[in-house]
Amino acid sequence: EVQLVESGGGLVQPGGSLRLSCAASGFTFSDHWMRWVRLAPGKGLEWVANISPDGNTRTYVDSVRGRFTISRHNAKNSLYLQMDSLRAEDTAVYYCVRVDGYGYRTFDYWGQGNLVTVSS
Amino acid sequence: DIVMSQTPLSSPVTLGQPASISCRSSQSLVHSDGNTYLSWLHQRPGQPPRLLIYKISNRFSGVPDRFSGSGAGTDFTLKISRVEAEDVGVYYCTQVTQLPITFGQGTRLEIK
Repeated sequence: EVQLVESGGGLVQPGGSLRLSCAASGFTFSDHWMRWVRLAPGKGLEWVANISPDGNTRTYVDSVRGRFTISRHNAKNSLYLQMDSLRAEDTAVYYCVRVDGYGYRTFDYWGQGNLVTVSS
Repeated sequence: DIVMSQTPLSSPVTLGQPASISCRSSQSLVHSDGNTYLSWLHQRPGQPPRLLIYKISNRFSGVPDRFSGSGAGTDFTLKISRVEAEDVGVYYCTQVTQLPITFGQGTRLEIK
């Protein structure tokens, strides 16, 4: 069974940093692209970042580029999101998402989500 | 960026009746490889989103056949043939043809 379990969220002050982790199990982690997607209160879903299976290709939405860093450790079956210079508008539930392995580019499995609150 | 627009934003439906959600993209979602990377997601209250449909019309594993997707180019539709109580929540269309990946605003399905 595919499982994605996020951790590391919480309350942080504006300008602060936080690192989200996602522990993957039930599949060959190193075969899949992975993504972070967020859902801000009262808003819709927003894609945050992608990372390739080998970690060499990373892409970001404009609003987080230069502040957030997506990374992975395939030997530990783990995905990360380092968030720096956090702003109030980064407040959201962050989801770790697997991309299918068939070339459909779709979001086939989601973690339960981890709340990040940026507030003073 | 490709803008995804859903209608309606809210849809009260009667159990057992059909429902339909429209999604329109600001430009064609046909990729240079010939595929159209349009998916539909469903999010129940308090739960993460789950995949329903990928590449316009393909149901994901375990998705009931009362859900169907159709469309082409810039216009897409999700249909539920007979709404059940577990279908409440928010439905999103999303395109992965071009970065940045974008989502529709979401359509809230509720039971009358």
